[in-house]
Amino acid sequence: GAVVSQHPSWVICKSGTSVKIECRSLDFQATTMFWYRQFPKQSLMLMATSNEGSKATYEQGVEKDKFLINHASLTLSTLTVTSAHPEDSSFYICSARALGLADYEQYFGPGTRLTVT
Amino acid sequence: QKEVEQNSGPLSVPEGAIASLNCTYSDRGSQSFFWYRQYSGKSPELIMFIYSNGDKEDGRFTAQLNKASQYVSLLIRDSQPSDSATYLCAPQGTDSWGKLQFGAGTQVVVTP
Repeated sequence: GAVVSQHPSWVICKSGTSVKIECRSLDFQATTMFWYRQFPKQSLMLMATSNEGSKATYEQGVEKDKFLINHASLTLSTLTVTSAHPEDSSFYICSARALGLADYEQYFGPGTRLTVT
Repeated sequence: QKEVEQNSGPLSVPEGAIASLNCTYSDRGSQSFFWYRQYSGKSPELIMFIYSNGDKEDGRFTAQLNKASQYVSLLIRDSQPSDSATYLCAPQGTDSWGKLQFGAGTQVVVTP
């Protein structure tokens, strides 16, 4: 149980284009989803917290107009990287916090590797 | 600034030995603590969590928590080559969403 999927698992896009990443909780309802970014040899950096039906809360220094987050349902959150640039190339990982289970646990998706050329 | 400190390693451990990983945190309000394992190029995988002072054992893993000292540790017994990974310590923050505060991680290398 407690499986989180992400799609796509990797994507290559050209500079200036937008990319959408989906995060789904497959067998549970997620009250909250989190989006992280991880650069090589570095730890996870929280970008934003996403709650179903409300606006995402962004961490300091993260541009909300560049990283658009939509949490449309209790099982789906999307991250859109708008006008992507090479410096946005990174490993993007979502996690979900379960509703009704041991709700202090977060389950991570497999990640999406974004390369901007 | 809330901080989580871990030795970056690499921590080299002979196969079959015990790997000992340490983590200190600055947020005294943290009540729950998580250990994640991350293989290179993969996302983190939850190993175990602890929220009471003392020890908690799960298979070959033992987590230890001392809130007074703001210290949490992870022991891996009978280390296997498959345990070679980066281990992330993550205290849970006191915000309403339960954000995790990740340390930089300790790289463990188990040598046959």
